[in-house]
Amino acid sequence: EIVMMQSPATLSVSPGESATLSCRASQSVSSKLAWIQLRPGQAPRLLMYGASTRATGIPARFSASGSGTEFTLTISSLQSEDFAIYYCQQYTNWPLTFGGGTKVEIK
Amino acid sequence: EVQLVESGGGWVQPGRSLRLSCAGSGFTLGDYDMHWVRLVPGKGLEWISGISWNSGSILSEDSMKGRFTISRDNAKNSLYLEMNSPRPEDTALYYCARRMTGDLNWFFDLWGRGTLVTVSS
Repeated sequence: EIVMMQSPATLSVSPGESATLSCRASQSVSSKLAWIQLRPGQAPRLLMYGASTRATGIPARFSASGSGTEFTLTISSLQSEDFAIYYCQQYTNWPLTFGGGTKVEIK
Repeated sequence: EVQLVESGGGWVQPGRSLRLSCAGSGFTLGDYDMHWVRLVPGKGLEWISGISWNSGSILSEDSMKGRFTISRDNAKNSLYLEMNSPRPEDTALYYCARRMTGDLNWFFDLWGRGTLVTVSS
């Protein structure tokens, strides 16, 4: 099983600032990595796939990069609706596995 | 509106059974592979099981095989998860999720809001 590790666990950011989240895989997942946003009481939302492709309807302030074992999600100019928990997910091997999540909170 | 709505969660005693349902609307669920994923308190997201559009292929996480059974009824636009002999560690928010089309796209482009399952005596 591929283990996904995210850091930091919590990120405190002021509205309008940017946030950089990291995801590391225990072995190469090539570019088969997705990012998901979870807000309390709402359905999870797919943000990115293929390591760097924005999903439909995702604003341009979300960007992502990486391949192999190291990945980054960047949120520029954080809006109130961006304070949430973010998970990475690899889909190169079964079982599909997720990172432990990064909570982006208001500073 | 395109959405998935889960139901059937609640409190269940260890060893009892529980059946979760997921209804799709605004799209034809039968055109997609569907999956169940859960959010475990303090642990994060865990993939449980997936079923192909025609029920011809089923994949499950090893530790949940034999305990959780996924099925679907395309005529009813519905997905199901039968939980047999649940354990306290199965307490979680259970989501159904739609797999994005494309042979190598094993990620999910549509999720429901989840249904909460609490396993306790």
